[in-house]
Amino acid sequence: EAQVTQNPRYLITVTGKKLTVTCSQNMNHEYMSWYRQDPGLGLRQIYYSMNVEVTDKGDVPEGYKVSRKEKRNFPLILESPSPNQTSLYFCASSLSQWETQYFGPGTRLLVL
Amino acid sequence: QKEVEQNSGPLSVPEGAIASLNCTYSDRGSQSFFWYRQYSGKSPELIMSIYSNGDKEDGRFTAQLNKASQYVSLLIRDSQPSDSATYLCAVNSPHSSNTGKLIFGQGTTLQVKP
Repeated sequence: EAQVTQNPRYLITVTGKKLTVTCSQNMNHEYMSWYRQDPGLGLRQIYYSMNVEVTDKGDVPEGYKVSRKEKRNFPLILESPSPNQTSLYFCASSLSQWETQYFGPGTRLLVL
Repeated sequence: QKEVEQNSGPLSVPEGAIASLNCTYSDRGSQSFFWYRQYSGKSPELIMSIYSNGDKEDGRFTAQLNKASQYVSLLIRDSQPSDSATYLCAVNSPHSSNTGKLIFGQGTTLQVKP
């Protein structure tokens, strides 16, 4: 089944404790992206990647890192999480930046 | 001016009616347009994509694009209670400072009442 998977789905952590949210797609998509969704602010792009080893900042990259060492995986790293990073996070992938993006199930993060 | 604008709603329609959702965008060079549906707490799922002016129909859904007026709309015919969700308009533009960016509107909440 073609899909985008994210892990973990739910995470409670404390300020400053490094964490990684994994994202994997099995559709051989070139383009992958991370979004966060907050009430009243909608979906905002954090980082995106057009291909392996090519990543760039989206609208809200501060406090986040990403890597794209292989085509299928695009992990989101929070080196030192803070409470303002409490949010619902979505990973998405597509054939290219012009094509339909397919979303993962989401990761709900709470930073205490 | 927001790059992609939608009325947040809620838009309330009776079951069986036509729901009309609208979206305007600011970049005249935009090329790809998408409508996503999102149920509360779930991920967005694609309903329609449209790339050229005119109408595109898929079942009960019709997307309409007017590049001259910079708007894209979604019509839902024979609305069902299961259509109650937030509908997100997304636009991809080659002229934005970030060419990889898909810009989302805030979403319109649709309520279909039995």
